[in-house]
Amino acid sequence: DGGITQSPKYLFRKEGQNVTLSCEQNLNHDAMYWYRQDPGQGLRLIYYSQIVNDFQKGDIAEGYSVSREKKESFPLTVTSAQKNPTAFYLCASSIRNIQYFGAGTRLSVL
Amino acid sequence: AQSVTQLDSQVPVFEEAPVELRCNYSSSVSVYLFWYVQYPNQGLQLLLKYLSGSTLVKGINGFEAEFNKSQTSFHLRKPSVHISDTAEYFCAVSDPNTDKLIFGTGTRLQVFP
Repeated sequence: DGGITQSPKYLFRKEGQNVTLSCEQNLNHDAMYWYRQDPGQGLRLIYYSQIVNDFQKGDIAEGYSVSREKKESFPLTVTSAQKNPTAFYLCASSIRNIQYFGAGTRLSVL
Repeated sequence: AQSVTQLDSQVPVFEEAPVELRCNYSSSVSVYLFWYVQYPNQGLQLLLKYLSGSTLVKGINGFEAEFNKSQTSFHLRKPSVHISDTAEYFCAVSDPNTDKLIFGTGTRLQVFP
């Protein structure tokens, strides 16, 4: 079954802790994206990567970091510098101008 | 810069009634246009897209949208809604050179029996 897998579905972060959200795709797509969703604000782009070993900041990259060592994987780390991390995080990949989304990870602060 | 405006944050409607969810965009270049649907605690599912060609686009679940370049609009319509259409709907535009999507703030469609 081809698709985009995000894990975990729910994640809790303590003060001062870094946490990493996983995103894996087996669609052979070159480009991958991370979005943050807050109620009433739509989706905002955090980081994106168009090829392996290369990525660019989106509109709200502060307090986040990513890596793209493999085509299939694009993990997102929410660092302690992100003071308001509670949100729903969505990963996507794209081919031929169309983005496909994973099921999301809901991050909360303890 | 591109932007998307979804004019209604919530649209209540009775089952079997028609519905229109409005979307306007601004861009200095040609864009691609999309509608996505999101059910509670799930990711986004592509409803339909306009890349080129016919301005009337048909999507899944009986939805359709019309691209109007002069009015910079891409409104989503369904002639008869079902309870299962209750969800959040997002309009988006993309830069054809990067595939980056710019989203509207969403419209919550609530269908009542």
